[in-house]
Amino acid sequence: KNQVEQSPQSLIILEGKNCTLQCNYTVSPFSNLRWYKQDTGRGPVSLTIMTFSENTKSNGRYTATLDADTKQSSLHITASQLSDSASYICVVSGWAAGNKLTFGGGTRVLVKP
Amino acid sequence: DVKVTQSSRYLVKRTGEKVFLECVQDMDHENMFWYRQDPGLGLRLIYFSYDVKMKEKGDIPEGYSVSREKKERFSLILESASTNQTSMYLCACRTSGTVGGELFFGEGSRLTVL
Repeated sequence: KNQVEQSPQSLIILEGKNCTLQCNYTVSPFSNLRWYKQDTGRGPVSLTIMTFSENTKSNGRYTATLDADTKQSSLHITASQLSDSASYICVVSGWAAGNKLTFGGGTRVLVKP
Repeated sequence: DVKVTQSSRYLVKRTGEKVFLECVQDMDHENMFWYRQDPGLGLRLIYFSYDVKMKEKGDIPEGYSVSREKKERFSLILESASTNQTSMYLCACRTSGTVGGELFFGEGSRLTVL
């Protein structure tokens, strides 16, 4: 069964500090992995996409990594800001019939001043 | 930018009422989706549509139906609302022809069934 597990479920960090979110998946065959950011009361917005051949990709202060061998991805937030307070959702797409997406449960990040 | 508009941000309904949630997208995307989002359960797919008048069941279709009469509009219908359908409902669209293409979400509709 395709699954995406995210950890931690939630974390609190001080403004200016770094943090790393984890995503482990069992989706096979793998196509790509996206990280979405969801502000409170809003819809998710895509931050970055990782394909099989990519190891690292940055989007401003967000850096995503992918290890396709161990089926793990991480999202690193550098020099956190109050606006980074949100839920971060890992979504994996597989090369199966219907190209079904598998969603992680999300990590809720709270940045405190 | 793609814009996905959901008709109601907040709704309060009573058990047994019929509920319509409407979603309109302005980018001519073929694929449209309805998800519900609950704490601890993440996003779960209710129904999706690859084209006009076409619909497919997702993972949790029970108690829901959908309508797609026009390409830009995808409606979610709760024939007889129940308290366990209290949730955040998210509509999304995506262009076809790409595996794992970006989903563009609406702002969400928070439904409370009393």
